[in-house]
Amino acid sequence: DAGVTQSPTHLIKTRGQQVTLRCSPKSGHDTVSWYQQALGQGPQFIFQYYEEEERQRGNFPDRFSGHQFPNYSSELNVNALLLGDSALYLCASSSTGPNTRDGSYEQYFGPGTRLTVT
Amino acid sequence: LAKTTQPISMDSYEGQEVNITCSHNNIATNDYITWYQQFPSQGPRFIIQGYKTKVTNEVASLFIPADRKSSTLSLPRVSLSDTAVYYCLRKVSSGSARQLTFGSGTQLTVLP
Repeated sequence: DAGVTQSPTHLIKTRGQQVTLRCSPKSGHDTVSWYQQALGQGPQFIFQYYEEEERQRGNFPDRFSGHQFPNYSSELNVNALLLGDSALYLCASSSTGPNTRDGSYEQYFGPGTRLTVT
Repeated sequence: LAKTTQPISMDSYEGQEVNITCSHNNIATNDYITWYQQFPSQGPRFIIQGYKTKVTNEVASLFIPADRKSSTLSLPRVSLSDTAVYYCLRKVSSGSARQLTFGSGTQLTVLP
């Protein structure tokens, strides 16, 4: 059973360009969350998708957008790249939607995509 | 969501028990405490979660006192491969807020 997969593994872009990162959730999971992790910092929540809609969003500008497909896979798009967007982008999947009634909700993280903006 | 407070770094030796304490003074009634482990260039991995008292699994134990203002992750007999960053998080169990709020974590270095 494959876990969370992300592509590409590494990516180099120049300022002003656009990038699309992809994530396939763990089998049986329906919720995908995206995180940005700068070097030496903990992951920061970008947004979460459930039932093909953005359900929660962190403190990130509109340059960051996403999409979830009917098969639960997801894309993260970043427009007008800045040098500060260089980071490890992590995708996490889980098996319940936002309104779970207990605390057993657990997120499984993928290996991440290392984005370098030059 | 308020972040938790934990030591920036800790050193230990192989075979020792390691205890990492996390403070969460403003924890809400519905919050759970969750610990993740992260190796370099990998995504975080769930270790253990609890609400109160003690929880134990094959990897670690989690102690949460009655006031729930702190918690302690206990790793028995660590090995070199346990060198990683350990994150303590509050996890909201109600409402639509499902994101995890990470702090900077504790860098655990296990020495031979």
